[in-house]
Amino acid sequence: AQRVTQPEKLLSVFKGAPVELKCNYSYSGSPELFWYVQYSRQRLQLLLRHISRESIKGFTADLNKGETSFHLKKPFAQEEDSAMYYCALSGRSSPQGGSEKLVFGKGTKLTVNP
Amino acid sequence: NAGVMQNPRHLVRRRGQEARLRCSPMKGHSHVYWYRQLPEEGLKFMVYLQKENIIDESGMPKERFSAEFPKEGPSILRIQQVVRGDSAAYFCASSSDTYEQYFGPGTRLTVT
Repeated sequence: AQRVTQPEKLLSVFKGAPVELKCNYSYSGSPELFWYVQYSRQRLQLLLRHISRESIKGFTADLNKGETSFHLKKPFAQEEDSAMYYCALSGRSSPQGGSEKLVFGKGTKLTVNP
Repeated sequence: NAGVMQNPRHLVRRRGQEARLRCSPMKGHSHVYWYRQLPEEGLKFMVYLQKENIIDESGMPKERFSAEFPKEGPSILRIQQVVRGDSAAYFCASSSDTYEQYFGPGTRLTVT
């Protein structure tokens, strides 16, 4: 069964502190992993995906297949990082050419305090 | 590019009425996905459509829900005879032939 678990519903840190948002997954095969972010009153947007291995807004995430984890990290949190963060997985591209459905975790609300 | 458009943004229906939610994908995108988010939950996949075809409807409830993506015009998610449990945020996403799905702002359905 495909499943994404984000164990922390709420996470609060102070500005400048490191932050780690946890994500574990269950998938039979080789999934694609994503982090989506939703800032207040804005639409859901892609933050990063594991296949691109890039750092966006100072965030990184490493896929650990042994631990089936894809934790999101940032060494120094900023107040503007406060948002809802969703971890998601997808299978490989569908035969029709688009991406397969995304399976989302329940999300973690990150609050960065001044 | 205006991005994925959804309308209405808010929809109030009485129990038993029909709800029609519209989604216009980004220009050049031919794949549309619908997700539902219940309070305190993550987004749950409902259906994946390509022009005039339903590709994957494994997340659609068996009754009262239907979706279409005609050759011309937006994708429509239709909920017949709505019940209180249908109250949720409904998100549409679109993609081209890549992995990235771009999301719309969502339609918040309230059933009274």
